Amino acid sequence: GENVEQHPSTLSVQEGDSAVIKCTYSDSASNYFPWYKQELGKRPQLIIDIRSNVGEKKDQRIAVTLNKTAKHFSLHITETQPEDSAVYFCASRKSYQLTFGKGTKLSVIP
Amino acid sequence: KAGVTQTPRYLIKTRGQQVTLSCSPISGHRSVSWYQQTPGQGLQFLFEYFSETQRNKGNFPGRFSGRQFSNSRSEMNVSTLELGDSALYLCASVAGDGTDTQYFGPGTRLTVL
Repeated sequence: GENVEQHPSTLSVQEGDSAVIKCTYSDSASNYFPWYKQELGKRPQLIIDIRSNVGEKKDQRIAVTLNKTAKHFSLHITETQPEDSAVYFCASRKSYQLTFGKGTKLSVIP
Repeated sequence: KAGVTQTPRYLIKTRGQQVTLSCSPISGHRSVSWYQQTPGQGLQFLFEYFSETQRNKGNFPGRFSGRQFSNSRSEMNVSTLELGDSALYLCASVAGDGTDTQYFGPGTRLTVL
């Protein structure tokens, strides 16, 4: 089955700096890659997603890049703010199933 | 539109009991997926239903089962509960019309004593 590796597991950045989280997937048939943000005690919320026919997508301070050949995708958050602090999960989708990475705990230090 | 709802929000059971969790997707959505979230294993896929049919199932024992009704509401059942079944159970709603976005419900926190 699909395997998704996510790095780093924890990340601390100063407010205003950029944060990058990287994921790799194993199954080349995966075709959809969402990113979720989960704050403590809350449900995962979709923040951005990308499909396999697109290399990059941006939404304000958040961007995602996809390299199908290397089977990896990354989340970039610029100008981080304290409210960006949360756990971020990457995922890949194949056959109606999302496979998630283990998560990255992002701490933005004011 | 109302979001995804799950009931109950919290449950405490003892080993050997069984439990049924309920999920109501966003109105008009026809697909529901279930996930188990634990600190050690993260988010793991349980199963996915579309129009009352299970289309995919994760790597969980047969004690975990589910179903979907004609109104798209879904239930999952766990029989013969074990301590390791303590987790947050999340369901996600998908339109099922070719779009992929999954919207999560608030989850049911199950504690097995």
